[in-house]
Amino acid sequence: QQQVKQSPQSLIVQKGGISIINCAYENTAFDYFPWYQQFPGKGPALLIAIRPDVSEKKEGRFTISFNKSAKQFSLHIMDSQPGDSATYFCAARVTGGGNKLTFGTGTQLKVEL
Amino acid sequence: GAVVSQHPSWVICKSGTSVKIECRSLDFQATTMFWYRQFPKQSLMLMATSNEGSKATYEQGVEKDKFLINHASLTLSTLTVTSAHPEDSSFYICSAGLAGLTGELFFGEGSRLTVL
Repeated sequence: QQQVKQSPQSLIVQKGGISIINCAYENTAFDYFPWYQQFPGKGPALLIAIRPDVSEKKEGRFTISFNKSAKQFSLHIMDSQPGDSATYFCAARVTGGGNKLTFGTGTQLKVEL
Repeated sequence: GAVVSQHPSWVICKSGTSVKIECRSLDFQATTMFWYRQFPKQSLMLMATSNEGSKATYEQGVEKDKFLINHASLTLSTLTVTSAHPEDSSFYICSAGLAGLTGELFFGEGSRLTVL
């Protein structure tokens, strides 16, 4: 059972454009929503994370928008750069589940010149 | 930030042999570490939760006798793929978080296993 649904599967954006990746969840016990960036052959790296008590969090060019009622959250990459080309995973953590994360299916982003 | 190191980063072995992958938290202690498996262009699949000083907790469908996990100290967890076969070829990734802090996980660089 896929508890975190992620879309799109792949995304091509022009340099300078905005990349938007969406995730939806079902389990209302999730209380922490991180986004990870993964380059080929490397482990995922934490990009930005949000908790459900806020609707938006911004760090540099990366913004998470969170809609608790819709059980959706999204990653926005402003002024996308070729170096942002990577696979992005959203994830969610269950309350009381320690650090155990449930990952989305991933989005392969390509930023073209 | 916290660093998690994996070794080896890649390994090739013959079918039937066993392979050990190490996961170390370099600048923090981790009572819990996680082992994931990732196939090409797919998401991370949690295999097991490694608990310091006790038995690992395996996810449904993961063979505990196939994937032996040992968490002997607060900074080291090992995954041993026993009697490896070509279908075990994959990218194995470990992660760890700060003891007492829930939420932020740090991932290792991954270990690419190829079984011939």
